[in-house]
Amino acid sequence: DAKTTQPTSMDCAEGRAANLPCNHSTISGNEYVYWYRQIHSQGPQYIIHGLKNNETNEMASLIITEDRKSSTLILPHATLRDTAVYYCIVRVPFKAAGNKLTFGGGTRVLVKP
Amino acid sequence: DGGITQSPKYLFRKEGQNVTLSCEQNLNHDAMYWYRQDPGQGLRLIYYSQIVNDFQKGDIAEGYSVSREKKESFPLTVTSAQKNPTAFYLCASSDQTENTEAFFGQGTRLTVV
Repeated sequence: DAKTTQPTSMDCAEGRAANLPCNHSTISGNEYVYWYRQIHSQGPQYIIHGLKNNETNEMASLIITEDRKSSTLILPHATLRDTAVYYCIVRVPFKAAGNKLTFGGGTRVLVKP
Repeated sequence: DGGITQSPKYLFRKEGQNVTLSCEQNLNHDAMYWYRQDPGQGLRLIYYSQIVNDFQKGDIAEGYSVSREKKESFPLTVTSAQKNPTAFYLCASSDQTENTEAFFGQGTRLTVV
């Protein structure tokens, strides 16, 4: 799986949008970008994923650049409950390598009142 | 409710003893995974199984063993050969369809004294 690079930490004001960047410059054509988050001492929670089109769901939006070398996760209105470590992961489709996920260090997001 | 259950949440063992961590899922998922997480670090894959009676080593399998006798269950045994067993252990499961997300349990925190 391609390696990802994320900022170690970032702060965000409650009620404002949080933009979390991720670089994946060695991503292959069939690798998807996945985002998970982990609230302290809990299991990771799936947020969103995409291949090359921008995606949106009830939790967040995912913006992938045209060259697919980077992406941004957007939390539109951050709340205190969004404080967590956010992981950006790229992986091949299941049939090629199972659903193994390779986690990096992630970005520690602190939402402040 | 459908989900993935790990038990117990906290586990204490004496050094040199084997210990088995439980993971059960009722999501009818074919694939199951075990990850280890050390403080301030990302998750690392220990073992995974894509089908009953079959499993593969992950990145850090030494000192661990697993079995997959039933689709719903994927227990992990931490053996006395594991040099640094104290960690947070996470189990996950996923479907085998393309681009599906993994669902994680709430983890077991193992402390070896």
